[in-house]
Amino acid sequence: GAVVSQHPSWVICKSGTSVKIECRSLDFQATTMFWYRQFPKQSLMLMATSNEGSKATYEQGVEKDKFLINHASLTLSTLTVTSAHPEDSSFYICSARAASGRRETQYFGPGTRLLVL
Amino acid sequence: GNSVTQMEGPVTLSEEAFLTINCTYTATGYPSLFWYVQYPGEGLQLLLKATKADDKGSNKGFEATYRKETTSFHLEKGSVQVSDSAVYFCALRGGKLSFGAGTTVTVRA
Repeated sequence: GAVVSQHPSWVICKSGTSVKIECRSLDFQATTMFWYRQFPKQSLMLMATSNEGSKATYEQGVEKDKFLINHASLTLSTLTVTSAHPEDSSFYICSARAASGRRETQYFGPGTRLLVL
Repeated sequence: GNSVTQMEGPVTLSEEAFLTINCTYTATGYPSLFWYVQYPGEGLQLLLKATKADDKGSNKGFEATYRKETTSFHLEKGSVQVSDSAVYFCALRGGKLSFGAGTTVTVRA
């Protein structure tokens, strides 16, 4: 099946620094990528939807200036957590929808665990 | 808005035991329903889905039936294996995907 990778798988950073997480579709082209955030024992919460070459659409309550999303190519999207603080510590998961696939087919990455000290 | 509530875990079973994970939903309209599975160290994978009432999704011995009258989509497997140890997420699509909190299942040999 289709594969989505994320890098890094986990990261520890100091408060105030920025962290970039990459999401790649390895064997297909993704016109749409999604970024989710998951707190312990809670649901995946959609943060934003990005389409290749256009600005991301953020969900209500998600700060677009804090969580910068770039979807520069059909195989790569990045999420940058700017000026990270301990409350940004979480598990971030990306998902990609194939350009030629059915609307309901989303492939998920393994997630990136972020710990802000 | 749309929401999904699923059985809290963790669930620990012996091999060949019967597994049920309850899932109920709240949605407007007629959403599609899904079960995703996440094995250790991997991304979520679609396990099965149902797109309309009374549909039964099935895969790898797992089944779930879309019950509109009870707004439920319970996941069942008659005889689990150690390899079924994973986190299971119930989800619905009414525009975008909405997930339950996930249920961790551990199967012991």
